[in-house]
Amino acid sequence: RKEVEQDPGPFNVPEGATVAFNCTYSNSASQSFFWYRQDCRKEPKLLMSVYSSGNEDGRFTAQLNRASQYISLLIRDSKLSDSATYLCVVITGTGRRALTFGSGTRLQVQP
Amino acid sequence: NAGVTQTPKFRVLKTGQSMTLLCAQDMNHEYMYWYRQDPGMGLRLIHYSVGEGTTAKGEVPDGYNVSRLKKQNFLLGLESAAPSQTSVYFCASSYSTRGAGEQYFGPGTRLTVT
Repeated sequence: RKEVEQDPGPFNVPEGATVAFNCTYSNSASQSFFWYRQDCRKEPKLLMSVYSSGNEDGRFTAQLNRASQYISLLIRDSKLSDSATYLCVVITGTGRRALTFGSGTRLQVQP
Repeated sequence: NAGVTQTPKFRVLKTGQSMTLLCAQDMNHEYMYWYRQDPGMGLRLIHYSVGEGTTAKGEVPDGYNVSRLKKQNFLLGLESAAPSQTSVYFCASSYSTRGAGEQYFGPGTRLTVT
């Protein structure tokens, strides 16, 4: 089983739609969680951290469910510019401050 | 600030050839990382460094070596390239410990081994 799993998509949604992605992680000792965004043939960039109480950044909302070991990303009022691959990222373990990446979920927002 | 830069952007190697990928960052970050990205696999950590003069193995270190002689530079070497090393290679850096989740990536190096 992969340490971090995501539905690869693609999710095809019209502009203005609300879309949600989930990501599950296998290690209950995982400590920190993030969403990164990667445009086609570009480098990943941090979108937002995910806090236990949930957090919002404009149209983006991230949630963490430790009991079920998943995190989610909700995008409201989708824009064409939101089209990208969204990577779920988890930090697990002590001492080795490295990230484990999911393989990503592709979002295509259509006019 | 340039952030994180990588050299070269593209490279084609024949099996058995060697090469070095250079990563440079101007943010004074302690931590630096090398990842490879393959279709359907996500990014996988090759090697990383927690400071000048130190390196450690990541998830997929075989066939690669690294060096961090200067804080701002992190080199990735392929001693004898194999077709399985065809991939996109990303370098990243971060602040120490507290900021490890916020990594800054370079633009990537697309390597093809024939």
